[in-house]
Amino acid sequence: EIVLTQSPTTMAASPGEKVTITCRASSSVSYMHWYQQKPGASPKPWIYDTSKLASGVPNRFSGSGSGTSYSLTISSMETEDTATYYCQQWSSNSPITFGSGTKLEIK
Amino acid sequence: QVQLKESGPGLVQPSQTLSLTCTVSGFSLTSYHVSWVRQPPGKGLEWMGVIWTGGSTAYNSLLKSRLSISRDISKSQVFLKMNSLQTEDTATYYCARGGGWFAYWGQGTLVTVSS
Repeated sequence: EIVLTQSPTTMAASPGEKVTITCRASSSVSYMHWYQQKPGASPKPWIYDTSKLASGVPNRFSGSGSGTSYSLTISSMETEDTATYYCQQWSSNSPITFGSGTKLEIK
Repeated sequence: QVQLKESGPGLVQPSQTLSLTCTVSGFSLTSYHVSWVRQPPGKGLEWMGVIWTGGSTAYNSLLKSRLSISRDISKSQVFLKMNSLQTEDTATYYCARGGGWFAYWGQGTLVTVSS
């Protein structure tokens, strides 16, 4: 199966700061998807097909990448962005796997 | 309005079988795949398996020997059965719409494995 490695595991950002979360795949994948999860809540779809924002996601978020390296970027950190973010892939030659998550906190 | 809702016992004894139901509304099980995902307390997400629109299934290889997913189209329900439960199976269990990307999730149901 394809293993997804997220970095960093945890991080804190100041309001207005640019944030980048990286997800590396053990083998090449065609797309990467991202979810936001806050404590006690279900994961929310956040970015799909690498770069498409899910409904309601602020446009300060963006996604990019290809092959084995993908990223989620926040152009200007806001308090409400505090959450854990998970990447996820599905490939025809691998079962669905999730990254281990990146916990993002506000400074 | 798309909704998914999990239901089942909150407590299961070790070695017993877990049975969960996901009741969906706002879409047909013949048009969308449904997956099960679980999350142990304080840990990450683990995909368990999927039932495709045609009724076939695919499972996480680590769980395949213990896991079964089925459905009742007329009741808009998807079922999860997993046997030989151990304490490490304690988790919140989610059903989600999709087989490659999950656009909708249920609220989740916490299952504790304990005697």
